[in-house]
Amino acid sequence: DAGVTQSPTHLIKTRGQQVTLRCSPKSGHDTVSWYQQALGQGPQFIFQYYEEEERQRGNFPDRFSGHQFPNYSSELNVNALLLGDSALYLCASSQDGGTEAFFGQGTRLTVV
Amino acid sequence: GENVGLHLPTLSVQEGDNSIINCAYSNSASDYFIWYKQESGKGPQFIIDIRSNMDKRQGQRVTVLLNKTVKHLSLQIAATQPGDSAVYFCAENVSPGGGNKLTFGTGTQLKVEL
Repeated sequence: DAGVTQSPTHLIKTRGQQVTLRCSPKSGHDTVSWYQQALGQGPQFIFQYYEEEERQRGNFPDRFSGHQFPNYSSELNVNALLLGDSALYLCASSQDGGTEAFFGQGTRLTVV
Repeated sequence: GENVGLHLPTLSVQEGDNSIINCAYSNSASDYFIWYKQESGKGPQFIIDIRSNMDKRQGQRVTVLLNKTVKHLSLQIAATQPGDSAVYFCAENVSPGGGNKLTFGTGTQLKVEL
């Protein structure tokens, strides 16, 4: 079992561009959550996908959007990138109704 | 690798000593709490969890204590080892049955000195 996998591991984008990050959940998990972790801070919840729909959302602007596919994998899209979007983006998977969330290694996004 | 511990509170302990990491949570309705360990350049790794109907839970070398009266969690690590050096986060979850939306604390950098 590969656990939660994210791609790419590192990414550099220019302000104003758009980015797509990808996540494959742990085998048997159907729920995917995305978090943003700024340097020196704890992860902040962006949103969660279940049954291909956004189920919960944190305090993030509409520039942040996502998608979940029938195989439970997920994408995070960020439009009109700002310098402040530079962070580690983490994906966590879990089973609906379960408690334990498993995290991927993250994607380090740098906006220049 | 990245320094996730930048600006975080730091706890320094000698190898072999016991470590106690504290966390205050904010939502009195939270019913599930988790401790995560995050090493540089990696995602958070599950350590131990506890439900709100418990006040203590033990794992291998780790113990979590929950005080709901003052909304306080602690993580105790016995016989701390160099491999325990990392940033530790507590996280709270309201109604895990409806999805795991975790709210993370600030984090504590644990440094184990040889």
